[in-house]
Amino acid sequence: EVQLVESGGALVQPGGSLRLSCAASGLTFSAYWMNWVRQAPGKGLEWVANIKQDGSEEYYVDSVKGRFTISRDNGKNVLYLQMNNLRVEDTAVYYCATTTIFGLTMIPGEHWGQGTLVTVSS
Amino acid sequence: IVVTQSPGTLSLSPGERATLSCRASQSLSGSYLAWFQQKPGQAPRLLIYGASRRATGIPDRFSGNGSGTDFTLTINRLEPEDFAVYYCHQYGNSPLTFGQGTRLDIK
Repeated sequence: EVQLVESGGALVQPGGSLRLSCAASGLTFSAYWMNWVRQAPGKGLEWVANIKQDGSEEYYVDSVKGRFTISRDNGKNVLYLQMNNLRVEDTAVYYCATTTIFGLTMIPGEHWGQGTLVTVSS
Repeated sequence: IVVTQSPGTLSLSPGERATLSCRASQSLSGSYLAWFQQKPGQAPRLLIYGASRRATGIPDRFSGNGSGTDFTLTINRLEPEDFAVYYCHQYGNSPLTFGQGTRLDIK
């Protein structure tokens, strides 16, 4: 059974930092692109960042560029999101999710974690 | 690429058919358009990818079609467990984007 388990969410003050983790099991972690997707309270889904299987490519939504860094450790089967200079508007549940790619076929979001809550408030 | 869903809310009865729309601001190459279902307190669940391919374990009453900029999710014979929020998602161009969601309510 595939499991993605996020951790690291907390209450943090504006300007603070936090590192989220997503521990993967039951799948060949190194075979998947990995994503972070967030959802502000009562709002819709927003894609935040993703990273290639070997970590050689990363992409971000404009609102987090220069503040957030996605990374992965394929030896430990863990995905990370380092979040610096946090803003009130970063308050959300943060999910990790897989993207499967084989040939020209991409399957986004086949597996999701349960999410971890980040609250940015003074 | 901006993806816009309509309607914002759809009120139907069990057994009816739901038709949800998603429009992209640019043509989606490769039909990289997916649909997700989300229930309160839960992570999203993938229903459709590649505009029309059902994900593993998804009942055949869910179907997707469309290409270019216009896409549709159809749910035939609504079951009580189908009432939820649905999101379309384009994943072919970075930044990846989601629609704002369509809430499917029980009438």
